[in-house]
Amino acid sequence: EVQLVQSGPEVKKPGEALKISCQASGDTLTNYWIAWVRQMPGKGLEWVGLIYPGESDTRYSPSFQGQVFISADTSINTAFLQWRSLKASDTAMYYCAGRNFGESHGAFDIWGQGTMVTVSS
Amino acid sequence: EIVLTQSPATVSVSPGERVTLSCRASQSFRSDLAWYQQKPGQPPRLLIYGASTRATGVPARFSGSGSGTEFTLTISSLQPEDFAVYYCHQYDNRPPGTFGQGTKLEIK
Repeated sequence: EVQLVQSGPEVKKPGEALKISCQASGDTLTNYWIAWVRQMPGKGLEWVGLIYPGESDTRYSPSFQGQVFISADTSINTAFLQWRSLKASDTAMYYCAGRNFGESHGAFDIWGQGTMVTVSS
Repeated sequence: EIVLTQSPATVSVSPGERVTLSCRASQSFRSDLAWYQQKPGQPPRLLIYGASTRATGVPARFSGSGSGTEFTLTISSLQPEDFAVYYCHQYDNRPPGTFGQGTKLEIK
């Protein structure tokens, strides 16, 4: 079964750009929907958006539309979450999560280990 | 957007006891609801999908039920490893859907 391995922790300044990654191993990324989830320190889970890399079908939760960009590079089996200009309020743990495209349900059963993003001046 | 409200926010229960967690939706939908467990420092783990189907490897003491606007997760006999935060997730509307705010299950 696929495993999702995320890139390491990041420390950035406000206004800087950032791209974090989620690499699939054990299967092809195009067999999965990949979602991104934000968890601010001490808080609950929030869906950022998701992508089906096979067709570059991308959808965003309303709160994140225009704030982040989700993409994928199928040649390296990797999905990305990126920001053009970070804010302190982007400080959070970001998880990627996967669901096989053939599943009949919309829940996510495969999770990356998380990437901690810290934005501070 | 469908809003999910979980209750209680925190519940304290003794090992071996039974507990039921609630998730109420702002709009009705059939059964496109999942439950996740999250322990400190770990990613979430899928427990239940389709409101009542256990994910692979999930013990039988976890059960889900409900439809419409009322859903529940029941843990029949709490084990020490079950103390965690539990989130419901609806995926009926606007993929990937929405999460509830979570219920923290504490040891009494």
